[in-house]
Amino acid sequence: GQNIDQPTEMTATEGAIVQINCTYQTSGFNGLFWYQQHAGEAPTFLSYNVLDGLEEKGRFSSFLSRSKGYSYLLLKELQMKDSASYLCAVSDKAAGNKLTFGGGTRVLVKP
Amino acid sequence: GAVVSQHPSWVICKSGTSVKIECRSLDFQATTMFWYRQFPKQSLMLMATSNEGSKATYEQGVEKDKFLINHASLTLSTLTVTSAHPEDSSFYICSASNTNQPQHFGDGTRLSIL
Repeated sequence: GQNIDQPTEMTATEGAIVQINCTYQTSGFNGLFWYQQHAGEAPTFLSYNVLDGLEEKGRFSSFLSRSKGYSYLLLKELQMKDSASYLCAVSDKAAGNKLTFGGGTRVLVKP
Repeated sequence: GAVVSQHPSWVICKSGTSVKIECRSLDFQATTMFWYRQFPKQSLMLMATSNEGSKATYEQGVEKDKFLINHASLTLSTLTVTSAHPEDSSFYICSASNTNQPQHFGDGTRLSIL
């Protein structure tokens, strides 16, 4: 099986930076995904990491360390519209590349 | 980016009714489609994985006779909730992928059974 842990909730101020950590355990790691989900809506794809290191995409960056089973999503210059749940998901080769999702981190951006 | 269309977006019906949900990948061929269910304030739970032209693989605890999945083409998969009951009320979300595309999600279907 897979264990994926991420904090339940985080609060930050508009314009600030927030880092959402995700730790995982899996037997056949084949990539880690971050999705954003606004309340009442379906998730939207943010990033994909399969090799160690930092992937930057505008205000959002995602980091992966396979040896530590660790990833983070960094949100910079926070905007009110960034208030959402952020889902960490791991793809497992041994499970046919299915995604297993963490519980999600609800980020609340305050003015 | 890749577009996945899911229809209908909202269904309200009486207990005992069967409900069909469609998932279409509009701009890429989806060799694999996934069906998820999400209860309020919980994460996505995978129900089944569907590969084009073959039978769906269901997750443990998901009744295949109740949740019928068909993936007849590379752009369309359907989920039919048979004889739906109030406990089946949930947010159902499909996703589509292939070897070149990560999973992209449809907009979801909110199902309410009275």
